[in-house]
Amino acid sequence: DGGITQSPKYLFRKEGQNVTLSCEQNLNHDAMYWYRQDPGQGLRLIYYSQIVNDFQKGDIAEGYSVSREKKESFPLTVTSAQKNPTAFYLCASMGPLDSNQPQHFGDGTRLSIL
Amino acid sequence: AQKITQTQPGMFVQEKEAVTLDCTYDTSDQSYGLFWYKQPSSGEMIFLIYQGSYDEQNATEGRYSLNFQKARKSANLVISASQLGDSAMYFCAMRERYNTGANSKLTFGKGITLSVRP
Repeated sequence: DGGITQSPKYLFRKEGQNVTLSCEQNLNHDAMYWYRQDPGQGLRLIYYSQIVNDFQKGDIAEGYSVSREKKESFPLTVTSAQKNPTAFYLCASMGPLDSNQPQHFGDGTRLSIL
Repeated sequence: AQKITQTQPGMFVQEKEAVTLDCTYDTSDQSYGLFWYKQPSSGEMIFLIYQGSYDEQNATEGRYSLNFQKARKSANLVISASQLGDSAMYFCAMRERYNTGANSKLTFGKGITLSVRP
């Protein structure tokens, strides 16, 4: 079945360590997104990519980095510069940009500080 | 100003009754889309319903309908015949300038927690 796969489901980061969250989709979608969700809060956009080899900062990009070398993959790296990384991270993708299609989401990754 | 406002505190509804979850939005665009998502305690985001700014009819999807009042900039979600499995957080989101293809970003509200009582 087509969908979005995020891994791992749970991730722990040590102080000063970079960690990478994986997001893979087999929906043949051009656009992909990374969101951060804090407890009891809405989703905030970190980075997004509307086409391969191109991406833009969202509202809270500081301390994060991404790459988009393949259409199917949009990994997110949480760097040591992100001082408060504990959160729930959601990856999403979307089909044609000029349509009213919704964004489809993965099951998320919960990141915690050790 | 917030683009999407969801201000209701935790909502409670009796099983089999209907409930309305409020959403107001702020945009100067003429072309935009409004989306509702459900997030159960497991965390995944489930798309429920969509309303385009040019749609003349209110959107419906099964037990979900959208009470779209464009002049008041509100897009309230109505869930009919509530079920225990409807207990979750519900998010309203907006995409501006969607028909140009230039913008695909969604802006989310802070969400509303719905609890269905047996």
